[in-house]
Amino acid sequence: GAGVSQSPRYKVAKRGQDVALRCDPISGHVSLFWYQQALGQGPEFLTYFQNEAQLDKSGLPSDRFFAERPEGSVSTLKIQRTQQEDSAVYLCASSLKGAMGDTQYFGPGTRLTVL
Amino acid sequence: DQQVKQNSPSLSVQEGRISILNCDYTNSMFDYFLWYKKYPAEGPTFLISISSIKDKNEDGRFTVFLNKSAKHLSLHIVPSQPGDSAVYFCAASATQGGSEKLVFGKGTKLTVNP
Repeated sequence: GAGVSQSPRYKVAKRGQDVALRCDPISGHVSLFWYQQALGQGPEFLTYFQNEAQLDKSGLPSDRFFAERPEGSVSTLKIQRTQQEDSAVYLCASSLKGAMGDTQYFGPGTRLTVL
Repeated sequence: DQQVKQNSPSLSVQEGRISILNCDYTNSMFDYFLWYKKYPAEGPTFLISISSIKDKNEDGRFTVFLNKSAKHLSLHIVPSQPGDSAVYFCAASATQGGSEKLVFGKGTKLTVNP
C-alpha cells in the first residue's frame, strides 16, 4: 500500500475486555514500531520488530500488552483486561531497511477508549 | 524524566514571518534528531532530520539547527504559511545504542495566522 494503515481507527472497550489492534506497514519495510500517545503527550515507544523478531519490548507498560508480527509484515498489538489508563492513541510506524537513522513512517493511529 | 523537552506548548506567528520551534534534550547518547508534524486525527509526518555530526540541515523552507554543547535543537520555518499550522514534535534516537526507538517531546502547537 501507499502508507502505513491501522485498524480499527477507533475502538471503545469496556474495562476488562481484550482488544487487538492491527498494523499494516509499508510493503517491504523491515522494521515496525508501536507507540502509545496519551492526550497532550508525545508518542511513547512500546516495542519494535525487525522482520518477525521482536528486538525491543522495553516500553510495554505491563504484561497485559503483547505484540506479534509472525510473518514479518502485519503486526497486532493485543491488550488484555483493558484498564482506563490504557486509553490513548496507538501509533504504528515502519521503516525501510532497519538501519540506524532510517525514517519512520507513521500510520493514522487507533484511538482506544476504555470505559 | 523527560529526555526530550519542548518547553513551549504553543506558538503563534503571522503568515510570511519566521517560525522557530525549540527542543532540548538531556541524553548525551542521542545522535540523531528528527522533527515530525502532526495534523489532528492523522499520524505524525516526517519533516526533517539531522545527524549529530552536522549542525545544520536545510530542506526548502525548513531548517534544523543542532547545538550539541547546549543539547539544543531548533526548527526554523521561513516563510511560514497557514498550512504549516499543526503540532510539531521533536524526536531523538541513540543509534549507536543498538535501538531504533524514537524518544519524543510533548509537542508544540504552531498556529500561522493569515
